[in-house]
Amino acid sequence: AQKVTQAQTEISVVEKEDVTLDCVYETRDTTYYLFWYKQPPSGELVFLIRRNSFDEQNEISGRYSWNFQKSTSSFNFTITASQVVDSAVYFCALSERYYGGATNKLIFGTGTLLAVQP
Amino acid sequence: NAGVTQTPKFRILKIGQSMTLQCTQDMNHNYMYWYRQDPGMGLKLIYYSVGAGITDKGEVPNGYNVSRSTTEDFPLRLELAAPSQTSVYFCASREGGVVNTEAFFGQGTRLTVV
Repeated sequence: AQKVTQAQTEISVVEKEDVTLDCVYETRDTTYYLFWYKQPPSGELVFLIRRNSFDEQNEISGRYSWNFQKSTSSFNFTITASQVVDSAVYFCALSERYYGGATNKLIFGTGTLLAVQP
Repeated sequence: NAGVTQTPKFRILKIGQSMTLQCTQDMNHNYMYWYRQDPGMGLKLIYYSVGAGITDKGEVPNGYNVSRSTTEDFPLRLELAAPSQTSVYFCASREGGVVNTEAFFGQGTRLTVV
């Protein structure tokens, strides 16, 4: 069954520390897609990155980087030199194609609340 | 560009009342979703649709109904509101046929049932 686990409920760091948010997923399909979203205190959902199951290259965007490992079914997110503005809830999400069909469910993990202290 | 628009932004319902949460998108996306987010919790999928006339249940469909008569609109109906339905509701859409596109979200509807 399709499932996303974010075991870290809350993380608190001091500004400039590096922090890694974990995401572990379960899927029965070989073609699937992973996403990270940010939800700042204002409540909106902001898209950060997407990754398909055929592309295991890591990605870096400024202070953000993502590590995708199919062998461990993980898609972890690292913020380098964290800042107070990074304080938010971060969600990992999974979309599978379900045996070539088009169900296209988009399932979210429970989120990790990141608090960056000045 | 409006993107995904949800109305209303806030609503207080009494137990047993009914209401419809409106969601419309102007991006010609085939796929649309309804989620609920309880305080301090993640997003749970209520219903989704892969095109006009096609809907399917998500993780928590009980107490809700949806319809999809047009590509643009995907209203969520609450019948006989209960306190357990107090939540923030998000509507989202994404492009169909290309699975790896991201979902675009509305601003949310904060619903309180008293």
